[in-house]
Amino acid sequence: QQPVQSPQAVILREGEDAVINCSSSKALYSVHWYRQKHGEAPVFLMILLKGGEQKGHDKISASFNEKKQQSSLYLTASQLSYSGTYFCGTILGNTPLVFGKGTRLSVIA
Amino acid sequence: DTEVTQTPKHLVMGMTNKKSLKCEQHMGHRAMYWYKQKAKKPPELMFVYSYEKLSINESVPSRFSPECPNSSLLNLHLHALQPEDSALYLCASSPWADPLGNQPQHFGDGTRLSIL
Repeated sequence: QQPVQSPQAVILREGEDAVINCSSSKALYSVHWYRQKHGEAPVFLMILLKGGEQKGHDKISASFNEKKQQSSLYLTASQLSYSGTYFCGTILGNTPLVFGKGTRLSVIA
Repeated sequence: DTEVTQTPKHLVMGMTNKKSLKCEQHMGHRAMYWYKQKAKKPPELMFVYSYEKLSINESVPSRFSPECPNSSLLNLHLHALQPEDSALYLCASSPWADPLGNQPQHFGDGTRLSIL
């Protein structure tokens, strides 16, 4: 089963914060986060590994709670360039990366 | 610009045609992937090559035939496709095919395929 993302979509004004959640019914060993802008390639943001770590990428950070089998992506002081669809991905069986359905983020001025 | 280059960017073909998609990377990565992405959906894995050998085939119909001539190149040969195969085909690479899924994947911009 693919990971479940929430919310499905969110609209922000510049400077506002957002949280995107990713959960799995199966044990998580790692969680990937990618952003895809319309008509472009998915771009790797970060990987969270088993151990409950938190990683940062400019004003975008993420946490990983393996007990709760979930990860959260935090976008702080959003910029117009943050707009796009955010996917989380996890390993599932022999498939190295299964993506969630995505969260569409729109940042408006 | 991405470090994974895919050609062509767009392809329109009839159901009886034979065509190929090409993917190239020069990052020294030893794992390469093909994904299919329909509009407003996430990418779905089709094939994985690890050290130039096919390691995963996600039950893809035989009208899609992958080939990895060397560590930098990945092809997807297409034959007798159906209209429902119209989609964005993405290639990706990673340093190696980690069974724990801990390697970041670098995607190309994709080939937008339309089947008439």
